[in-house]
Amino acid sequence: EDQVTQSPEALRLQEGESSSLNCSYTVSGLRGLFWYRQDPGKGPEFLFTLYSAGEEKEKERLKATLTKKESFLHITAPKPEDSATYLCAVQATGGGADGLTFGKGTHLIIQP
Amino acid sequence: SAVISQKPSRDICQRGTSLTIQCQVDSQVTMMFWYRQQPGQSLTLIATANQGSEATYESGFVIDKFPISRPNLTFSTLTVSNMSPEDSSIYLCSVGTSGAYEQYFGPGTRLTVT
Repeated sequence: EDQVTQSPEALRLQEGESSSLNCSYTVSGLRGLFWYRQDPGKGPEFLFTLYSAGEEKEKERLKATLTKKESFLHITAPKPEDSATYLCAVQATGGGADGLTFGKGTHLIIQP
Repeated sequence: SAVISQKPSRDICQRGTSLTIQCQVDSQVTMMFWYRQQPGQSLTLIATANQGSEATYESGFVIDKFPISRPNLTFSTLTVSNMSPEDSSIYLCSVGTSGAYEQYFGPGTRLTVT
């Protein structure tokens, strides 16, 4: 069974204080690992897809990396508008299954 | 990315009744999915709805409880039947495009069952 575990559950940072969010996963075969941002009362907003170990992707203050067992979302010099819940999800290969398996998310608060 | 809308955005329903949630996409998509997000929990896939075929349900979800329609490539509905308070949740539809694996989500429907 595919599993995704995110840590920490919640993180409070000062504006400008860089940090990393962790996503550990177990999957029979990885088709892709996805990061989403979710604001209160809204649906998840797609951020990144990572396909293989060693891959990295960046968008503004966010950088996602992938190993064979986990992914990190690095946040550099965050701003209050980066406050949100960040979700990690995996998609497994084979069996025709295209749905995503999600972690519970990391609730990030950036204080001015 | 596709623009996805859901109706209703929220509803309060009585136990034993049913609610149909609509998902509309602004472009034709092959794959549509329905998820549930219970308070404090992760998103859980209910079923995959592809046009022209029966929906495929995940373990723990059955067609009698969550019937799904997919009449064309831009629209789908999810019905939550014979509701109980345990069905109180946010229901989200998502779409996948051919050639890419990421999914894009609608704004969700917040359902409260009393």
